[in-house]
Amino acid sequence: KNEVEQSPQNLTAQEGEFITINCSYSVGISALHWLQQHPGGGIVSLFMLSSGKKKHGRLIATINIQEKHSSLHITASHPRDSAVYICAADGAGNQFYFGTGTSLTVIP
Amino acid sequence: EPEVTQTPSHQVTQMGQEVILRCVPISNHLYFYWYRQILGQKVEFLVSFYNNEISEKSEIFDDQFSVERPDGSNFTLKIRSTKLEDSAMYFCASSSTDPQLGTQYFGPGTRLTVL
Repeated sequence: KNEVEQSPQNLTAQEGEFITINCSYSVGISALHWLQQHPGGGIVSLFMLSSGKKKHGRLIATINIQEKHSSLHITASHPRDSAVYICAADGAGNQFYFGTGTSLTVIP
Repeated sequence: EPEVTQTPSHQVTQMGQEVILRCVPISNHLYFYWYRQILGQKVEFLVSFYNNEISEKSEIFDDQFSVERPDGSNFTLKIRSTKLEDSAMYFCASSSTDPQLGTQYFGPGTRLTVL
């Protein structure tokens, strides 16, 4: 069973497009994390959310606790945004559940 | 900017051998984590560590695995008798506060290859 589901699995966009990546989770959480994994494998934490919305530059993350759903938006996408975006749920007792990731390719 | 470091970057070992993966978390961080990612698969949580003890571990983290903070700076993951299926990228992460309140910082990973 997958506690965290992401969609789409793969996404190709033209530079400048608005991008949305969705995450649904089935476990009770204390927080939800969005991570970015670069082609070389390194992982960077983008957001940690427990409610509402956060914005950092061209990235926006939202969460709806009642619906157990979170979205990551990228405005004015750029080829350097190409990466795998991972949703991770911080469940009870510091147990983390990861989604399979969304592979984003932004074409110039 | 402070960062989490991991050594070695790549470790090759024979099946049945013990390996120790090392991590140096950011110096004022209190919460430490190990994750693994088998090639082509999703990241998996292994263990979290706080106040010199394991606070949570996953089903993957069986008796073959152990973690230690031997001094004030290192955080290690030991696999006692490696199996082929332990081949993966292992990521260490640290956080300054309870992860419900603050973000985690990831190391660059150690690629473990078990032959």
